[in-house]
Amino acid sequence: AQTVTQSQPEMSVQEAETVTLSCTYDTSENNYYLFWYKQPPSRQMILVIRQEAYKQQNATENRFSVNFQKAAKSFSLKISDSQLGDTAMYFCAFMGPDDTGTASKLTFGTGTRLQVTL
Amino acid sequence: DTAVSQTPKYLVTQMGNDKSIKCEQNLGHDTMYWYKQDSKKFLKIMFSYNNKELIINETVPNRFSPKSPDKAHLNLHINSLELGDSAVYFCASSSRGQVQNYEQYFGPGTRLTVT
Repeated sequence: AQTVTQSQPEMSVQEAETVTLSCTYDTSENNYYLFWYKQPPSRQMILVIRQEAYKQQNATENRFSVNFQKAAKSFSLKISDSQLGDTAMYFCAFMGPDDTGTASKLTFGTGTRLQVTL
Repeated sequence: DTAVSQTPKYLVTQMGNDKSIKCEQNLGHDTMYWYKQDSKKFLKIMFSYNNKELIINETVPNRFSPKSPDKAHLNLHINSLELGDSAVYFCASSSRGQVQNYEQYFGPGTRLTVT
């Protein structure tokens, strides 16, 4: 079974600074997908960024980028120019290859609570 | 034009009662999910339906029964509610088999409190 580990329960960053959230995972699959979701106090789950394992290039979405290290099974999220609105829980998630029904589920890490301060 | 909607958003009920949570998506997706987020914020899959067929059924008490009347709807019925059922329940949807659209879109969640 796949597992996802987020070793930082809480982090804090000052506005306009850069912060990196860590995520490691364990799988025997070669093709899979990785995601970062954001959950602000409103509790809505918002997709921040995704990465396909077959792509070597790291995904970027505006101020958000990932460092995907497939051999090390590491998938960290970097937030540049942090803003107050980035304050939220951040969840790393794994999805297996889409060839079986059970593979389409998301397996989540335990989350990192990020506080952006003035 | 909400993509994935859930009703109700809040549900407070007593132990032993039976309750249902409804989910609807207007994205044209063929797969829907129920996730449970516990008090420590941990999210875990409960069920998934693809084209009205149950494809994922994790280790969940049989007091929980999902029903999918059509591809756009997935409801969750819970019998004999217990204190430990208190959680936030999220519905999500996605399109399987489409390389460009395997993302899961989440509803706003239903906070269930059992007293």
